[in-house]
Amino acid sequence: DIQMTQSPSTLSASVGDRVTITCRASQSVSNWLAWYQQKPGTAPKLLIYEASTLESGVPSRFSGSGSGTEFTLTINSLQPDDFAIYFCQQYSAISRTFGQGTKVEIK
Amino acid sequence: EVQLVESGGGLVKPGGSLRLSCAASGFTFSSYTMNWVRQAPGKGLEWVSSIHPSPRYIYYADSVRGRFTISRDNAQNSLFLQMNSLRAEDTAVYYCARQDGDFDYWGQGTLVTVSS
Repeated sequence: DIQMTQSPSTLSASVGDRVTITCRASQSVSNWLAWYQQKPGTAPKLLIYEASTLESGVPSRFSGSGSGTEFTLTINSLQPDDFAIYFCQQYSAISRTFGQGTKVEIK
Repeated sequence: EVQLVESGGGLVKPGGSLRLSCAASGFTFSSYTMNWVRQAPGKGLEWVSSIHPSPRYIYYADSVRGRFTISRDNAQNSLFLQMNSLRAEDTAVYYCARQDGDFDYWGQGTLVTVSS
């Protein structure tokens, strides 16, 4: 299986900050990479697909980049609603593995 | 509006069985690969199984292969997961998710607890 590793595991930030989360794949997944946001007690929500395409309705302060084995999710001007856990997922292989998650918490 | 609603979770003893269901609406169910994803308490997401629209292609995670069976009823817009020989480590919230490459829609999840 393709292993997905996110860093950091936890990120402390303030409203208005720019934050970046990194996701690394154990082998190339081309641009078949998605990012999800999950809040406590709710299902994950798709934010970005194909590494950099914003899902409809997702605020433009979210952006994704990368290809191959290294990817980033950036949140510009962090808002109170953005404090959550973020997961990356590769869908290059049949076994669609996820990163372990990055918790964005209030500093 | 796309909706996925899981049901069938509950408390079961180790070695027991449970059948989860996912009722789909708001889209052409028979056109999409569907998945089960689980999340143990306080942990990350683990893909469990997927099933092609015509159930010709079915895949499982190594952790559940041989114990879980995914199926679907396109006429009833429903997805199922038969879980046998359950273990404590199968305790999790189980989500069904629609696949469009990525997983673009998710249900609210159903909790499965395996404990004596």
